[in-house]
Amino acid sequence: GENVEQHPSTLSVQEGDSAVIKCTYSDSASNYFPWYKQELGKRPQLIIDIRSNVGEKKDQRIAVTLNKTAKHFSLHITETQPEDSAVYFCAASTSKDGNKLVFGAGTILRVKS
Amino acid sequence: DAGVIQSPRHEVTEMGQEVTLRCKLISGHNSLFWYRQTMMRGLELLIYFNNNVPIDDSGMPEDRFSAKMPNASFSTLKIQPSEPRDSAVYFCASSIQGGDTEAFFGQGTRLTVV
Repeated sequence: GENVEQHPSTLSVQEGDSAVIKCTYSDSASNYFPWYKQELGKRPQLIIDIRSNVGEKKDQRIAVTLNKTAKHFSLHITETQPEDSAVYFCAASTSKDGNKLVFGAGTILRVKS
Repeated sequence: DAGVIQSPRHEVTEMGQEVTLRCKLISGHNSLFWYRQTMMRGLELLIYFNNNVPIDDSGMPEDRFSAKMPNASFSTLKIQPSEPRDSAVYFCASSIQGGDTEAFFGQGTRLTVV
């Protein structure tokens, strides 16, 4: 089955700097890659997603890139702000398995002001 | 729509007792996921359903865990008997089946087994 690995497990950046989180997946049939943000004590919420027919997607300060050949995808946050501090999860899904959604282990992002 | 609704929000129970967690899907959604979240293991997929049918329950830790969808909008996750190591936050999430649509999470149930 699908296995998603995420790095780093913790990331500390200075306010205004960029943050990059990387994930790899094992199932070449995976075709949907969402990123979720979870604040302390809250539920995970989608911040951006990318489908396998696209290599890059951007939404304001957040961008995601996908390399299908290498089976890895990354989240890029520019001009980080203290409110970006949270846990970020990548995930992969394939319609082949009836859209089984498997998550990475998460990255704790701390933005220092 | 109120979103995915889970109950209870918090549950404290004694070891050996039966625990039932409940989840109401967003209207029109037909995929349902149950996850368990702990510091050590992150977000583990326990089981998921499409159109009320369990598709993959390989993540269910033991026979003590069972999940059902008695109808298209409601699901339960039961632990019987409960053990202290079951303490975690349990989330359900729903989506529209298709493999490339957003999964919406409920608020979670924080379970403590003492």
